[in-house]
Formats: sequence, C-alpha cells, structure tokens
Amino acid sequence: QSVLTQPPSASGTPGQRVTMSCSGSSSNIGSYSVNWFQQFPGTAPKLLIHSNSQRPSGIPDRFSASTSGTSASLAISGLQSEDESDYYCAAWDDSLNGVVFGGGTKLTVL
Amino acid sequence: QVQLVESGGGLVKPGGSLRLSCAASGFTFSDNNMNWIRQAPGKGLEWVSYISSTGTTIYHADSVKGRFTISRDNAKKSLILQMNSLRADDTAVYYCARGGYQLPRGAFDIWGQGTMVTVSS
Repeated sequence: QSVLTQPPSASGTPGQRVTMSCSGSSSNIGSYSVNWFQQFPGTAPKLLIHSNSQRPSGIPDRFSASTSGTSASLAISGLQSEDESDYYCAAWDDSLNGVVFGGGTKLTVL
Repeated sequence: QVQLVESGGGLVKPGGSLRLSCAASGFTFSDNNMNWIRQAPGKGLEWVSYISSTGTTIYHADSVKGRFTISRDNAKKSLILQMNSLRADDTAVYYCARGGYQLPRGAFDIWGQGTMVTVSS
C-alpha cells in the first residue's frame, strides 16, 4: 500500500465544496512540501498544487490546499462536472530518499 | 512549446531489459531535475527514479534499486531509464516528469505522454 494515505473516493454535487485528505508521517508531510496532481483517465497527471498551497499558473482558484502536521488536504469549491477525476498527493520522504504518493482519490460529481 | 516525449516501451520477457528515453524540448533541460514515474494498469502513481539537474545526485525507489539506472545527457536534452532484470510487476505506463525549477522535490510540473512497458512471457 501507499506511504501516503488518501480516501479511495469522494463525491459532491455541482457548486458544492469538497475536500479530500492525505495523511503521512514526520518523514514526509511533516517535513516536506506536499504537491497535488489531477489525472483524467488515459492521460498524464497534471500539477494542481505545489509547495503545500501554491497554484501553478492556469489553475483556477477554486482549487486550494493546506497542511497541518503530518496531514494535508485539497479543497475544490464551486464543484464542476469537469472536476471529476483522480487526485493524488505526493511529498519527498527522507527515510526512503524518494518521492511518495498517496493511493489517489477518485472524485465523482453527482 | 515545453514538451517531454518518451519512447522505448514495449513487450519484454521476464528477466529481459529495456531502455526508455525521454526527449525534452522548449526549455533549458539542464536547469531541472528529472524523474521517472510509473503507473501500473488500474493502479496509482509510483515514483521510480530521480536525477538532479547536473546528474550528480540520483535516487531510485527500493522496488527498482539495483535493476534500473537513470541517466541524462544535457547536451542532447535527453533522459534515460535503463531497466534490467524486468519482472511482471514492472508492467506499467512510464512517465518522464520534470521537477519544477526551484520547486520542492515532488513538484512535477511537466509530464510526458507516457510509454507502456509490458513484462510477460
């Protein structure tokens, strides 16, 4: 299983605000920045958030993220049908000397 | 435009070898650390290897250590993953991904389209 723990699924209705969590430990989230990726089926992932809470250019401000201790969360406000996708968190881990990912959360827009 | 294009994937027998390449364009390749990340069919993302911008620092995931080797040629703007002693559980789409300039490790801001590696007899 994955070093970072994410719930396998989440859901919401259009316009709603949804959050998804990412839980780690002191060797990863507790010490290093968290990054979030969005991936649609059959396509490469896309960087959504880096450095815990920073959006790359072109990412709508409906997407936000935060960290606290050894956990992180991604929030999507004003949910849209096109947000239906898989979301992954990732961070450096100094006990493994590598990047670790969460198992991913599949977001369904009802 | 900024682009990464992988090649070299295919079908290989267990115990065999494969060499993946990633051609970069549209940016100063030597400015960025680079990574390989894979995704088994129907599964999540797994980081495989990291190489610093100058090639002096390299990390591999425990699952591939001793079997895979990452390298780069900054003059040719090329990233390589040499994969030996392949196993069935190495079957995956392999992505080349750029580490964002001056961003934390794990902030992969540009991804290739991926190349499929299938290990099967």
